[in-house]
Amino acid sequence: GAGVSQSPRYKVAKRGQDVALRCDPISGHVSLFWYQQALGQGPEFLTYFQNEAQLDKSGLPSDRFFAERPEGSVSTLKIQRTQQEDSAVYLCASSLPAAMNTEAFFGQGTRLTVV
Amino acid sequence: AQKITQTQPGMFVQEKEAVTLDCTYDTSDPSYGLFWYKQPSSGEMIFLIYQGSYDQQNATEGRYSLNFQKARKSANLVISASQLGDSAMYFCAMRENQAGTALIFGKGTTLSVSS
Repeated sequence: GAGVSQSPRYKVAKRGQDVALRCDPISGHVSLFWYQQALGQGPEFLTYFQNEAQLDKSGLPSDRFFAERPEGSVSTLKIQRTQQEDSAVYLCASSLPAAMNTEAFFGQGTRLTVV
Repeated sequence: AQKITQTQPGMFVQEKEAVTLDCTYDTSDPSYGLFWYKQPSSGEMIFLIYQGSYDQQNATEGRYSLNFQKARKSANLVISASQLGDSAMYFCAMRENQAGTALIFGKGTTLSVSS
């Protein structure tokens, strides 16, 4: 497909489990972003990659959150020892090299529910 | 302090009418960009329109226009001739030059269009 693809679309995890969320960006997009969107809220920035380099991880809420993009394409967001407050939609976005006016293209998100 | 404020949790409009969604922002960076995204119930964020802080004219994209009042730090989205398919959440977002590439989102406004 031509858009940003995220999998799984839905994930239910028991508290304490580890989860891995996958993002396939648009081919050729060097910039990749992860956002967390709580119910009824706007997306909040988690982390940013340019190619394989993680240039900004200031939004990751704790050291249980880890993201990687080893070959500069597919990215994985991993959450260890999930807690109920991690329940949210996790959005991935990709773009051409990020500049002030660069449009980011978003995937449909992964809805994580921690029970 | 909130960087992006959207004060209207919900807006209701009839088909073919125009509607304005409010957005105010807070930044001391002279260089910034303002974005509006639409999020239907399917979850993906769809880019609508962009306004740069140095742009002299208000941005327009089809039925969407941005009423940019720099001195008041407002960037309201105007949708003309509303359609049933416009029903969705709408988010205002900002990218600051000095803060890097992350988009900062408001909490959103739910727009409901009725026939």
